[in-house]
Amino acid sequence: DTGVSQDPRHKITKRGQNVTFRCDPISEHNRLYWYRQTLGQGPEFLTYFQNEAQLEKSRLLSDRFSAERPKGSFSTLEIQRTEQGDSAMYLCASSSGLAGGKETQYFGPGTRLLVL
Amino acid sequence: KQEVTQIPAALSVPEGENLVLNCSFTDSAIYNLQWFRQDPGKGLTSLLLIQSSQREQTSGRLNASLDKSSGRSTLYIAASQPGDSATYLCAVDTGTASKLTFGTGTRLQVTL
Repeated sequence: DTGVSQDPRHKITKRGQNVTFRCDPISEHNRLYWYRQTLGQGPEFLTYFQNEAQLEKSRLLSDRFSAERPKGSFSTLEIQRTEQGDSAMYLCASSSGLAGGKETQYFGPGTRLLVL
Repeated sequence: KQEVTQIPAALSVPEGENLVLNCSFTDSAIYNLQWFRQDPGKGLTSLLLIQSSQREQTSGRLNASLDKSSGRSTLYIAASQPGDSATYLCAVDTGTASKLTFGTGTRLQVTL
């Protein structure tokens, strides 16, 4: 068990460019989450996958954002036409989907995005 | 809409002190409450998970309690150490896709 990994760890881009982040969850976990965290705030939910199906999206996820989990393993989060307000830490988490409130989410180290 | 509040926002204590961090939430219909630790610029590490039917959980020097009816949780850290310096976040799982709603965190500094 190597934990949740994210790539890249840091990304600097110019406004208007597209960026893509990758998340590799813990191998046996079927649930995968994306969160966004801005400075001094707690993480905010963006979207959630159960295997390859994207089951919920936050209203924070504008149409410039798209997430995929094509084979139910790794996931990508793409931001098109980046804006300075997109600057944040993007966190990925995975879980095994245990029922009964026993589910712990395991977080990756995050990708810090800076849009100039 | 679930809202989670953490008090205090920041705390500085000398090494060896016992301390309490507070978390409150507005909707008591939760599946569980979790406490996380976050070091600067890093991801989150899960510390304790309390299911809605439980009152407390303990791990080493950490003890978390849950009073679901009043919408409150506390994280007690015994005999604090400089290595405990970090931001502590609480989060509630309302069962809707198990997405977590986080507080804004308490930034703890333990001084020598």
